[in-house]
Amino acid sequence: EVQLVQSGAEVKKPGESLKISCKGSGYSFTSYWIGWVRQMPGKGLEWMGIIYPADSDTRYSPSFQGQVTISADKSISTAYLQWSSLKASDTAMYYCARGLYSGSYNGFDPWGQGTQVTVSS
Amino acid sequence: QSVLTQPPSASGTPGQRVTISCSGSSSNIGSYTVNWYQQLPGTAPKLLIYNNNQRPSGVPDRFSGSKSGTSASLAISGLQSEDEADYYCAAWDDSLNGYVFGTGTKVTVL
Repeated sequence: EVQLVQSGAEVKKPGESLKISCKGSGYSFTSYWIGWVRQMPGKGLEWMGIIYPADSDTRYSPSFQGQVTISADKSISTAYLQWSSLKASDTAMYYCARGLYSGSYNGFDPWGQGTQVTVSS
Repeated sequence: QSVLTQPPSASGTPGQRVTISCSGSSSNIGSYTVNWYQQLPGTAPKLLIYNNNQRPSGVPDRFSGSKSGTSASLAISGLQSEDEADYYCAAWDDSLNGYVFGTGTKVTVL
């Protein structure tokens, strides 16, 4: 079974750093793009960026470029989303999702269960 | 804000047909296939329709998708209570060089 399992909920203070993870299983991790999506409380889905684990080719949405870093460790089939200095406005649910087809990034399935990030002083 | 526009809400009684529109442009829907996602309350999004009109295994055939020019539609026929959810269209966008989601539509079963 193809599965993405994300790390647990985080509560952080403004200015702190954070790295959340997304572990893939049941498929060839290096052959599929992994994307990250933000959902702020009560709001819609926002695409943040994608990474191709085979060579770490990374693309960012203009809205998130410079705000977060997407990375991957193919040796442990895990993708990451990290912040160097969190803001209260980063409070949201974050989802990872796999590209629909090998080598494709127009469409994502399956999705991880989500990681809730709360930033509060 | 999103470049794909959907109505904020849609509703129907059980058994009715509900249609959700998704309006884009030549840089997204006009050039790429459209996907639809269903997000049930408190859960992660799930792929509902891919390649404009294809259903993944396990998705009931009462869900159907279509695309024409720079617009797409999702239809739910024989509406059921378990279809109450948020629905999002999405596609790649050349101008943004990224994947874009629609504004989302909340479907309510009356």
